[in-house]
Amino acid sequence: KNQVEQSPQSLIILEGKNCTLQCNYTVSPFSNLRWYKQDTGRGPVSLTIMTFSENTKSNGRYTATLDADTKQSSLHITASQLSDSASYICVVSAQAGTALIFGKGTTLSVSS
Amino acid sequence: GAVVSQHPSWVICKSGTSVKIECRSLDFQATTMFWYRQFPKQSLMLMATSNEGSKATYEQGVEKDKFLINHASLTLSTLTVTSAHPEDSSFYICSALAGETQYFGPGTRLLVL
Repeated sequence: KNQVEQSPQSLIILEGKNCTLQCNYTVSPFSNLRWYKQDTGRGPVSLTIMTFSENTKSNGRYTATLDADTKQSSLHITASQLSDSASYICVVSAQAGTALIFGKGTTLSVSS
Repeated sequence: GAVVSQHPSWVICKSGTSVKIECRSLDFQATTMFWYRQFPKQSLMLMATSNEGSKATYEQGVEKDKFLINHASLTLSTLTVTSAHPEDSSFYICSALAGETQYFGPGTRLLVL
């Protein structure tokens, strides 16, 4: 069964600190893995996308890693800001463009 | 990047009425659009795949007669929740396919009283 599991479920950090979110998946055949940021009451916004051959991808203060062998991905956020408070969703595509499998997300709260 | 809009952003309706939600791709054409539903603290759940000019493909457990989807043009798909009930209250999100990437709309919050 295709599944995407994220941890932790929620996280609270102080502004300026770094954090790492985890994603484990059992999706086959694997096409790509995306990390999305979803603000409360808004649609998801893509942060990074990685295919099988990519190990790391950065987007500003966001850095995603992918280990296709262990089927694990992480999203590292550096120098967190209050605006980083959101839900971060790991999404794995089982085939190009369709069949997205969503994780339940990690809710990040950044406090001052 | 590709922009997808939804209208309305929120709607409150009485039980038994129908509600139409629009999803538009603003700067690109989308042959395929998707409709999702998201309950609080849950992940997005795919309801149906909407293909321009043809019937939508519904996921198992989603009633096609209750959730009417029309994809009449390459930039517009609509979702109509017919005879809405309080349990239909949810956050409805659409996405549009551009190449191999789905771009998501901002969502529509539906509250059925």
